[in-house]
Amino acid sequence: NAGVTQTPKFRILKIGQSMTLQCTQDMNHNYMYWYRQDPGMGLKLIYYSVGAGITDKGEVPNGYNVSRSTTEDFPLRLELAAPSQTSVYFCASTPGTGKEGWAEQYFGPGTRLTVT
Amino acid sequence: GNSVTQMEGPVTLSEEAFLTINCTYTATGYPSLFWYVQYPGEGLQLLLKATKADDKGSNKGFEATYRKETTSFHLEKGSVQVSDSAVYFCALPYTGRRALTFGSGTRLQVQP
Repeated sequence: NAGVTQTPKFRILKIGQSMTLQCTQDMNHNYMYWYRQDPGMGLKLIYYSVGAGITDKGEVPNGYNVSRSTTEDFPLRLELAAPSQTSVYFCASTPGTGKEGWAEQYFGPGTRLTVT
Repeated sequence: GNSVTQMEGPVTLSEEAFLTINCTYTATGYPSLFWYVQYPGEGLQLLLKATKADDKGSNKGFEATYRKETTSFHLEKGSVQVSDSAVYFCALPYTGRRALTFGSGTRLQVQP
């Protein structure tokens, strides 16, 4: 199993450009998440999904969009990139079974994004 | 809503020293509590958890006890190694979402 994979690892964007951060998991997990981690800060939840076709906003969704057309993939779209979106982005997944089973999350290695 | 506060780092220790990283929480009810660890250049991974009051979670020599009286979940290890150098995050469930809310993280540096 590759687990949770994210591409690209690094990216530099100019202000106003758009891009998609890819996230794929091969564990057949129902739940998937996008977090951002700003320097010296904890993780903030951007969006999450409890299954294909179902997505919901997290704490900081503005400036982002997601889709979940398959169980495996959960891409994050940035439209009109802004310097405030400079961060490290983590994708995570979990099977979601059992009491609070969704809390045991498996993380990808992250994408470091710089917007200048 | 639920929230968590961690001690600020970095914490710098010599090998074999005792480690405590403080975590306090605010929550509705008694949700499960978690410690995640992030090694350099990697994503987070679950270190340990406790699902109810007075539970002790343990893994890789790390321990944390769920104390509802003091709303704390401090992480401890009796003898740290250089390989324990990482960032440690305390976490608990978001209010109303099947997701986690994380503390700001505490960086641990262990020197040989």
